[in-house]
Amino acid sequence: KAGVTQTPRYLIKTRGQQVTLSCSPISGHRSVSWYQQTPGQGLQFLFEYFSETQRNKGNFPGRFSGRQFSNSRSEMNVSTLELGDSALYLCASSTELAVYNEQFFGPGTRLTVL
Amino acid sequence: GESVGLHLPTLSVQEGDNSIINCAYSNSASDYFIWYKQESGKGPQFIIDIRSNMDKRQGQRVTVLLNKTVKHLSLQIAATQPGDSAVYFCAENSLYSGAGSYQLTFGKGTKLSVIP
Repeated sequence: KAGVTQTPRYLIKTRGQQVTLSCSPISGHRSVSWYQQTPGQGLQFLFEYFSETQRNKGNFPGRFSGRQFSNSRSEMNVSTLELGDSALYLCASSTELAVYNEQFFGPGTRLTVL
Repeated sequence: GESVGLHLPTLSVQEGDNSIINCAYSNSASDYFIWYKQESGKGPQFIIDIRSNMDKRQGQRVTVLLNKTVKHLSLQIAATQPGDSAVYFCAENSLYSGAGSYQLTFGKGTKLSVIP
C-alpha cells in the first residue's frame, strides 16, 4: 500500500505571496492532519480534516487554511507569507480521527520564505 | 499554553545497550500518549502508544511507561541498534479550551545517537 505523499517536496516563496501544499493520504484513510515543524517550536498541530470537514484546529492564524476533497486528498493554503512561515509542513493520515488512532506521516514539504 | 517537554535533548548510547528516553507532560486531562521516531529527511514514524488507563505497554524491543502521578512518560528501547539513531518525540492528546478541539501536542524531541 502506498504511503502518504506530499507535493511539492520543496518550495521557495517571497513574503506576501501565498502557497498551496498538497497531501494524498493512504488509500482508505479518511482523516488528514497537518503539522508545522520548525527548529524553534518543534511540531505544531495546524488542523485535521475528516470526511471533507475540519474537525480539529490548532492555534494558528487565519492565514493558514485547508480543505479536503471527496477522495480524502487535502490541500493546505498559507496566504500573505511571512518569514516565520518557513518550515517543514507535514501531513499525516489515519483511518479515523487522529484522536486515538495511529497516524502515518508523509515526508513533508520544505517551505522557505525569502 | 500547556506543553509536553523532554528531560534530555540528546542521548548517546552504546550499541547493544538499553536506551531510556523521558518525557514530562503537564496536562492532567491528557488521556492518550504516543511516541514517534523521526529520521533525517523523513516524517515522524509511529512507534508505540498508550492510553491513560494503562501504566505499561510493550512492543517489539520497545516499552512505554506511563506514570500519571508525576505526569511522566518514558520510552525504553532494548538492545539499541544503529538503526535506532533518530529524534524521538513524545506527544499527548488532550482538549484545549482555547482552540476548542482535541489536538496532539508534541515535545521538542530527544536525539538518540547509537555508538557502534
